[in-house]
Amino acid sequence: GIQVEQSPPDLILQEGANSTLRCNFSDSVNNLQWFHQNPWGQLINLFYIPSGTKQNGRLSATTVATERYSLLYISSSQTTDSGVYVCAARTGGYQKVTFGTGTKLQVIP
Amino acid sequence: DAGVTQSPTHLIKTRGQQVTLRCSPKSGHDTVSWYQQALGQGPQFIFQYYEEEERQRGNFPDRFSGHQFPNYSSELNVNALLLGDSALYLCASSLRQSTEAFFGQGTRLTVV
Repeated sequence: GIQVEQSPPDLILQEGANSTLRCNFSDSVNNLQWFHQNPWGQLINLFYIPSGTKQNGRLSATTVATERYSLLYISSSQTTDSGVYVCAARTGGYQKVTFGTGTKLQVIP
Repeated sequence: DAGVTQSPTHLIKTRGQQVTLRCSPKSGHDTVSWYQQALGQGPQFIFQYYEEEERQRGNFPDRFSGHQFPNYSSELNVNALLLGDSALYLCASSLRQSTEAFFGQGTRLTVV
């Protein structure tokens, strides 16, 4: 099955800094999502982005499907951005989604 | 508009017992998928239900079974619980022809 790898696994930022999180996938995908997993485990939708670029406030995401990667940009980071960022990819006709292992982000004041 | 809701939020069971977890999909969604997330790992796909049938299954034993009701809600049943079944169980819903999945808050199962 498809493999999804995220980097870096851990990231510590000073408040106000920018960051780029990467998600590589091993096969063609027809669905790529980015989530923020809160401390209680809930996955909060950030972007549904099988291709192209989207922006939502300080966050933006780009997926280059032909090169099998997606990037999540966080600008002017805030302490509330701390948490685990997970990308998930789907290939095929059904909803089996394969998750990456996540990037744990800590933003310090 | 209610999102995906799961119940219960926490559960403690004894090894060998059986457990049933419940999921109500987001309004307008007809497909429900279940995932298991062990501590420190990413969610692993268990199975997906659409039109009250299991459509796809991950690498989980037959002790894991499910059901989807006519109102699209779903149950996950786990028999003969093992200590290793302790995990966060996540439910996701989607509209079959749409590919964005939305997740519930999860049920944290502890087997002792």
